[in-house]
Amino acid sequence: AQSVTQLDSHVSVSEGTPVLLRCNYSSSYSPSLFWYVQHPNKGLQLLLKYTSAATLVKGINGFEAEFKKSETSFHLTKPSAHMSDAAEYFCVVSDKRNFNKFYFGSGTKLNVKP
Amino acid sequence: IAGITQAPTSQILAAGRRMTLRCTQDMRHNAMYWYRQDLGLGLRLIHYSNTAGTTGKGEVPDGYSVSRANTDDFPLTLASAVPSQTSVYFCASSDPGLYTEAFFGQGTRLTVV
Repeated sequence: AQSVTQLDSHVSVSEGTPVLLRCNYSSSYSPSLFWYVQHPNKGLQLLLKYTSAATLVKGINGFEAEFKKSETSFHLTKPSAHMSDAAEYFCVVSDKRNFNKFYFGSGTKLNVKP
Repeated sequence: IAGITQAPTSQILAAGRRMTLRCTQDMRHNAMYWYRQDLGLGLRLIHYSNTAGTTGKGEVPDGYSVSRANTDDFPLTLASAVPSQTSVYFCASSDPGLYTEAFFGQGTRLTVV
């Protein structure tokens, strides 16, 4: 079975400082992993996805995530936070062997202070 | 612009009433999904469909039904709404494939009173 754990429900950083949002997954198969962002009262936008081509994945708006199989982690990072990064972030694992379902973590709300 | 259209965008519904949330995609994706989003719980899968004519139950299917008569449409029906179904509902679609992502609609905010 697939599952995702986002280790922090809220993260607060100052503008210009690094961002780290943590995600651990459980998968009985080689996972497909994604990060989505949701701005207030908006839909979900794909930030990046792991495709097995490289363990370090680059996404939009300067975000990156590193796939670490030994740690079953897929943490999201950004070197320097911007006010516009304030949003909720979801780590997602999909199970292509199980009817193509997508499983969401509970989300991390990122607050960026001026 | 290609994508997923959900309707209505918001609705206030009396308990006990029947309601259908509409979802249409124009990307010709085989798989479609309905999720509900509740504070602190992320998105939970209600029902899914891997191809037209087939549907399956997700994590929280009770009180909901779906149909998939064609590739583009995937309506979600609440037969008799209850206050615990107050939530934001998202429809999504994806292509089969190992690393293909899901595309989401803008959501329907439903309040059952």
